[in-house]
Amino acid sequence: DGGITQSPKYLFRKEGQNVTLSCEQNLNHDAMYWYRQDPGQGLRLIYYSQIVNDFQKGDIAEGYSVSREKKESFPLTVTSAQKNPTAFYLCASSASGLDTQYFGPGTRLTVL
Amino acid sequence: GESVGLHLPTLSVQEGDNSIINCAYSNSASDYFIWYKQESGKGPQFIIDIRSNMDKRQGQRVTVLLNKTVKHLSLQIAATQPGDSAVYFCAENMGSGGSNYKLTFGKGTLLTVNP
Repeated sequence: DGGITQSPKYLFRKEGQNVTLSCEQNLNHDAMYWYRQDPGQGLRLIYYSQIVNDFQKGDIAEGYSVSREKKESFPLTVTSAQKNPTAFYLCASSASGLDTQYFGPGTRLTVL
Repeated sequence: GESVGLHLPTLSVQEGDNSIINCAYSNSASDYFIWYKQESGKGPQFIIDIRSNMDKRQGQRVTVLLNKTVKHLSLQIAATQPGDSAVYFCAENMGSGGSNYKLTFGKGTLLTVNP
């Protein structure tokens, strides 16, 4: 069963704690992305990675960090420096930068 | 501001009618456009895409039209069904004109299909 998986589906954290969101794909895609979605809003790009061991900041990278040690995995850490972390986080992948991005099911993060 | 936007934030149609969702873009360098469907609490689902060397592309019950002269994109859904109820996003990629990896998304249009 091919696709993109994100875990967990729901995540709760206390203020001041770092939390890591998982994203895995078995599509053999080179590029992976993290987006943030707030209610009634479009998607905003946090980070993206074109290939393994390489990643670039998107439009709203402050307070987030990523790694790309394996082609299949692109975890996102939401740090305590992120001032408003409660949101729906979406991971996507594409074969290359000019190809269609396919999305995972998302993780809803709530900071208590 | 955003280079991709929507004319209508909400659209309500009767089951069986055709739906048209519109999107305006401002960047003439954009050369790849995608429509996504997002149901509540789920990730966006790819519907159809179109490159700037085309003005029309058809899929199953869906058609995307691209008018580069007025920088306008539309998604037409034929014989709309209750299962089509969702938020629809258009997205553009500037391709060789900018970062190949960056999609710019509009805010979305909520489509409601009444039985």
